[in-house]
Amino acid sequence: AQSVAQPEDQVNVAEGNPLTVKCTYSVSGNPYLFWYVQYPNRGLQFLLKYITGDNLVKGSYGFEAEFNKSQTSFHLKKPSALVSDSALYFCAVRDPNAGGTSYGKLTFGQGTILTVHP
Amino acid sequence: EAQVTQNPRYLITVTGKKLTVTCSQNMNHEYMSWYRQDPGLGLRQIYYSMNVEVTDKGDVPEGYKVSRKEKRNFPLILESPSPNQTSLYFCASSPLAGGLTDTQYFGPGTRLTVL
Repeated sequence: AQSVAQPEDQVNVAEGNPLTVKCTYSVSGNPYLFWYVQYPNRGLQFLLKYITGDNLVKGSYGFEAEFNKSQTSFHLKKPSALVSDSALYFCAVRDPNAGGTSYGKLTFGQGTILTVHP
Repeated sequence: EAQVTQNPRYLITVTGKKLTVTCSQNMNHEYMSWYRQDPGLGLRQIYYSMNVEVTDKGDVPEGYKVSRKEKRNFPLILESPSPNQTSLYFCASSPLAGGLTDTQYFGPGTRLTVL
């Protein structure tokens, strides 16, 4: 069974400092990995994804994530945090090797609240 | 405007009274899915549909039904709602599940309270 863990419920960082939001996953083979963000009073939005290719993925709003197969991780990073980055971040995994239509299953982590202080 | 719409946005109901939450997308997406969001539990997938007439269970399907009779619509049905189904529900669609176009577009959410 596939699973995702976001080990930190909350991350606090000062504006201008680098930020990291951690994600680890478990699937049987090579995963598809995603980050989504939920801003206060706004809907869920796609940030970035790893499907194949370069392990470093760049996404929206200056975010990037690195796929590390040996550590089964997909941590979200940004070199310089903004107050406007404060939001709830979700990591998600899909197992493209699952049989039948089971690869349609998408499993999310429990979310990490990022707070960027001025 | 490309979007996923859900109705109603807010609903308060009583235990046992059947209800339907509608979801519609205008992007011609093959894949649609329902999630519930609960504090501390994140997003959990209820059901998904790879394309018309093909639906499958997610991680928390108990107490829910879905149907996909046409590509654009994917209603969520609660035949006999219970208080533990009080939650924030999101519908989402994607061009496909898997591959380079695998990107979920989410609806605005439906906040359901079952008394």
